[in-house]
Amino acid sequence: SQTIHQWPATLVQPVGSPLSLECTVEGTSNPNLYWYRQAAGRGLQLLFYSVGIGQISSEVPQNLSASRPQDRQFILSSKKLLLSDSGFYLCAWSDRVGNEQFFGPGTRLTVL
Amino acid sequence: KQEVTQIPAALSVPEGENLVLNCSFTDSAIYNLQWFRQDPGKGLTSLLLIQSSQREQTSGRLNASLDKSSGRSTLYIAASQPGDSATYLCAVSADRGSTLGRLYFGRGTQLTVWP
Repeated sequence: SQTIHQWPATLVQPVGSPLSLECTVEGTSNPNLYWYRQAAGRGLQLLFYSVGIGQISSEVPQNLSASRPQDRQFILSSKKLLLSDSGFYLCAWSDRVGNEQFFGPGTRLTVL
Repeated sequence: KQEVTQIPAALSVPEGENLVLNCSFTDSAIYNLQWFRQDPGKGLTSLLLIQSSQREQTSGRLNASLDKSSGRSTLYIAASQPGDSATYLCAVSADRGSTLGRLYFGRGTQLTVWP
Protein backbone atom coordinates (compact mmCIF):
# COMPACT_ATOMS: atom_id res chain seq x y z
CA SER A 1 0.00 0.00 0.00
CA GLN A 2 1.02 3.59 -0.49
CA THR A 3 2.20 5.83 2.31
CA ILE A 4 3.29 9.44 2.43
CA HIS A 5 5.72 10.88 4.94
CA GLN A 6 6.51 14.44 5.93
CA TRP A 7 9.18 15.80 8.21
CA PRO A 8 9.68 17.48 10.42
CA ALA A 9 6.29 17.35 12.12
CA THR A 10 6.79 20.72 13.77
CA LEU A 11 9.29 23.50 13.23
CA VAL A 12 9.92 26.87 14.88
CA GLN A 13 12.20 29.17 12.92
CA PRO A 14 13.26 32.83 13.24
CA VAL A 15 12.45 35.34 10.54
CA GLY A 16 15.12 35.37 7.85
CA SER A 17 16.26 31.79 8.39
CA PRO A 18 16.20 29.14 5.65
CA LEU A 19 13.61 26.37 5.36
CA SER A 20 13.58 22.84 4.05
CA LEU A 21 10.54 20.57 4.36
CA GLU A 22 10.61 17.09 2.92
CA CYS A 23 7.90 14.81 1.60
CA THR A 24 8.37 11.24 0.39
CA VAL A 25 5.90 8.75 -1.04
CA GLU A 26 6.21 4.98 -0.88
CA GLY A 27 4.45 2.26 -2.81
CA THR A 28 3.77 4.07 -6.08
CA SER A 29 5.64 5.29 -9.15
CA ASN A 30 5.41 8.53 -11.15
CA PRO A 31 2.99 10.25 -8.78
CA ASN A 32 1.73 13.79 -9.14
CA LEU A 33 2.97 15.63 -6.06
CA TYR A 34 1.51 18.72 -4.41
CA TRP A 35 2.41 21.20 -1.67
CA TYR A 36 -0.45 22.98 0.10
CA ARG A 37 -0.48 25.53 2.91
CA GLN A 38 -3.25 25.92 5.44
CA ALA A 39 -3.04 29.22 7.29
CA ALA A 40 -5.16 30.12 10.30
CA GLY A 41 -8.60 31.31 9.23
CA ARG A 42 -7.98 30.48 5.59
CA GLY A 43 -8.62 27.51 3.34
CA LEU A 44 -6.06 25.19 1.82
CA GLN A 45 -3.94 26.95 -0.77
CA LEU A 46 -2.05 25.06 -3.47
CA LEU A 47 1.56 26.25 -3.59
CA PHE A 48 3.33 23.92 -6.02
CA TYR A 49 2.64 20.81 -8.02
CA SER A 50 4.87 18.44 -9.94
CA VAL A 51 4.13 15.88 -12.63
CA GLY A 52 7.68 14.49 -12.81
CA ILE A 53 11.31 14.81 -11.73
CA GLY A 54 12.49 18.38 -12.12
CA GLN A 55 9.05 19.57 -13.29
CA ILE A 56 7.62 22.15 -10.90
CA SER A 57 4.67 24.48 -11.38
CA SER A 58 4.02 27.36 -9.02
CA GLU A 59 0.54 28.53 -8.21
CA VAL A 60 1.27 31.54 -6.03
CA PRO A 61 4.19 34.02 -6.23
CA GLN A 62 6.07 34.00 -2.93
CA ASN A 63 9.47 33.50 -1.37
CA LEU A 64 9.06 29.72 -1.35
CA SER A 65 10.38 27.25 -3.91
CA ALA A 66 9.98 23.54 -4.54
CA SER A 67 12.16 20.83 -6.01
CA ARG A 68 11.70 17.21 -6.99
CA PRO A 69 15.13 15.57 -7.06
CA GLN A 70 13.72 12.03 -7.16
CA ASP A 71 10.51 10.47 -8.42
CA ARG A 72 8.95 10.16 -4.98
CA GLN A 73 10.59 13.05 -3.15
CA PHE A 74 9.24 16.59 -2.99
CA ILE A 75 11.01 19.39 -1.12
CA LEU A 76 9.72 22.81 -0.10
CA SER A 77 12.36 25.45 0.57
CA SER A 78 12.92 29.07 1.38
CA LYS A 79 16.11 31.11 1.59
CA LYS A 80 14.64 33.64 4.05
CA LEU A 81 11.45 33.00 6.00
CA LEU A 82 8.82 35.67 6.59
CA LEU A 83 6.32 35.87 9.42
CA SER A 84 3.58 35.25 6.86
CA ASP A 85 5.09 31.86 6.02
CA SER A 86 3.74 30.43 9.27
CA GLY A 87 1.13 27.75 8.73
CA PHE A 88 0.42 24.07 8.31
CA TYR A 89 2.12 22.60 5.24
CA LEU A 90 0.64 19.54 3.64
CA CYS A 91 2.07 17.33 0.94
CA ALA A 92 -0.19 15.20 -1.24
CA TRP A 93 0.07 12.73 -4.11
CA SER A 94 -2.21 11.38 -6.79
CA ASP A 95 -1.84 8.96 -9.66
CA ARG A 96 -1.00 10.14 -13.18
CA VAL A 97 -4.56 10.77 -14.28
CA GLY A 98 -5.13 13.26 -11.49
CA ASN A 99 -7.46 11.09 -9.53
CA GLU A 100 -7.94 10.84 -5.79
CA GLN A 101 -5.40 12.79 -3.73
CA PHE A 102 -3.87 11.44 -0.54
CA PHE A 103 -2.35 13.69 2.06
CA GLY A 104 0.56 13.42 4.43
CA PRO A 105 0.45 14.20 8.17
CA GLY A 106 1.63 17.78 7.67
CA THR A 107 4.32 20.08 9.10
CA ARG A 108 3.40 22.87 11.51
CA LEU A 109 5.72 25.82 10.82
CA THR A 110 5.91 28.78 13.18
CA VAL A 111 8.04 31.73 12.16
CA LEU A 112 8.95 34.06 15.03
CA LYS B 1 -11.58 30.72 -11.28
CA GLN B 2 -13.21 27.87 -9.41
CA GLU B 3 -14.66 28.80 -6.02
CA VAL B 4 -15.90 26.27 -3.49
CA THR B 5 -18.29 27.18 -0.67
CA GLN B 6 -19.29 25.01 2.27
CA ILE B 7 -22.35 25.56 4.42
CA PRO B 8 -22.67 25.60 7.37
CA ALA B 9 -19.26 26.73 8.64
CA ALA B 10 -19.92 25.02 11.96
CA LEU B 11 -22.44 22.51 13.25
CA SER B 12 -23.05 21.15 16.74
CA VAL B 13 -25.46 18.25 17.21
CA PRO B 14 -26.32 15.55 19.74
CA GLU B 15 -25.23 12.00 19.12
CA GLY B 16 -27.48 9.93 16.87
CA GLU B 17 -28.65 12.68 14.54
CA ASN B 18 -28.49 12.38 10.76
CA LEU B 19 -26.53 15.23 9.21
CA VAL B 20 -26.22 16.96 5.86
CA LEU B 21 -23.18 19.02 4.93
CA ASN B 22 -23.36 21.15 1.81
CA CYS B 23 -20.78 22.07 -0.80
CA SER B 24 -21.20 24.24 -3.88
CA PHE B 25 -18.79 25.12 -6.69
CA THR B 26 -18.94 27.77 -9.39
CA ASP B 27 -17.45 25.94 -12.40
CA SER B 28 -19.21 22.70 -13.33
CA ALA B 29 -16.27 21.52 -15.48
CA ILE B 30 -14.79 19.29 -12.80
CA TYR B 31 -12.90 16.01 -13.05
CA ASN B 32 -14.02 14.71 -9.66
CA LEU B 33 -15.06 15.78 -6.16
CA GLN B 34 -13.54 14.62 -2.91
CA TRP B 35 -14.72 14.85 0.67
CA PHE B 36 -12.05 14.89 3.36
CA ARG B 37 -11.97 14.78 7.11
CA GLN B 38 -9.41 16.72 9.14
CA ASP B 39 -8.85 16.24 12.85
CA PRO B 40 -7.20 19.11 14.77
CA GLY B 41 -3.51 19.40 13.93
CA LYS B 42 -3.63 16.46 11.54
CA GLY B 43 -3.50 15.88 7.82
CA LEU B 44 -6.49 15.22 5.59
CA THR B 45 -8.13 11.83 5.38
CA SER B 46 -9.96 11.07 2.15
CA LEU B 47 -13.52 9.94 2.83
CA LEU B 48 -15.20 9.67 -0.55
CA LEU B 49 -14.33 10.36 -4.17
CA ILE B 50 -17.05 10.97 -6.74
CA GLN B 51 -16.10 10.99 -10.40
CA SER B 52 -17.78 13.65 -12.53
CA SER B 53 -19.84 10.95 -14.29
CA GLN B 54 -21.19 9.55 -11.00
CA ARG B 55 -24.14 10.70 -8.92
CA GLU B 56 -23.18 9.33 -5.51
CA GLN B 57 -20.79 7.25 -3.45
CA THR B 58 -21.31 5.45 -0.17
CA SER B 59 -18.93 4.30 2.53
CA GLY B 60 -20.40 2.95 5.75
CA ARG B 61 -22.49 5.69 7.37
CA LEU B 62 -21.37 8.24 4.81
CA ASN B 63 -23.11 9.03 1.55
CA ALA B 64 -22.02 11.75 -0.85
CA SER B 65 -24.04 12.96 -3.80
CA LEU B 66 -23.00 15.08 -6.76
CA ASP B 67 -25.13 17.27 -9.02
CA LYS B 68 -22.53 18.51 -11.43
CA SER B 69 -24.85 20.66 -13.55
CA SER B 70 -26.02 22.68 -10.56
CA GLY B 71 -22.57 22.73 -8.93
CA ARG B 72 -23.60 21.03 -5.69
CA SER B 73 -22.58 18.14 -3.51
CA THR B 74 -23.88 16.95 -0.17
CA LEU B 75 -22.30 14.71 2.44
CA TYR B 76 -24.83 12.77 4.47
CA ILE B 77 -23.72 11.30 7.81
CA ALA B 78 -26.11 8.80 9.34
CA ALA B 79 -26.45 8.20 13.06
CA SER B 80 -23.69 10.61 14.05
CA GLN B 81 -21.23 9.70 16.81
CA PRO B 82 -18.84 11.77 18.95
CA GLY B 83 -15.97 10.25 16.96
CA ASP B 84 -17.32 12.00 13.86
CA SER B 85 -16.31 15.35 15.36
CA ALA B 86 -13.84 16.93 12.94
CA THR B 87 -13.66 19.45 10.11
CA TYR B 88 -15.06 18.19 6.83
CA LEU B 89 -13.61 19.60 3.63
CA CYS B 90 -14.98 19.47 0.12
CA ALA B 91 -12.64 19.76 -2.87
CA VAL B 92 -13.18 19.70 -6.62
CA SER B 93 -10.49 18.92 -9.14
CA ALA B 94 -9.85 20.90 -12.29
CA ASP B 95 -10.75 19.47 -15.67
CA ARG B 96 -8.33 21.51 -17.72
CA GLY B 97 -5.26 20.13 -19.48
CA SER B 98 -2.08 20.88 -17.60
CA THR B 99 -3.87 21.53 -14.31
CA LEU B 100 -5.74 18.24 -14.36
CA GLY B 101 -6.14 17.03 -10.82
CA ARG B 102 -5.53 20.38 -9.15
CA LEU B 103 -7.85 20.60 -6.13
CA TYR B 104 -9.89 23.63 -5.12
CA PHE B 105 -10.96 23.48 -1.49
CA GLY B 106 -13.81 24.91 0.50
CA ARG B 107 -13.11 26.27 3.99
CA GLY B 108 -14.78 23.34 5.64
CA THR B 109 -17.58 22.58 8.07
CA GLN B 110 -16.49 22.12 11.67
CA LEU B 111 -18.65 19.38 13.14
CA THR B 112 -19.09 18.70 16.85
CA VAL B 113 -21.15 15.70 17.96
CA TRP B 114 -21.80 15.64 21.69
CA PRO B 115 -22.82 12.60 23.74
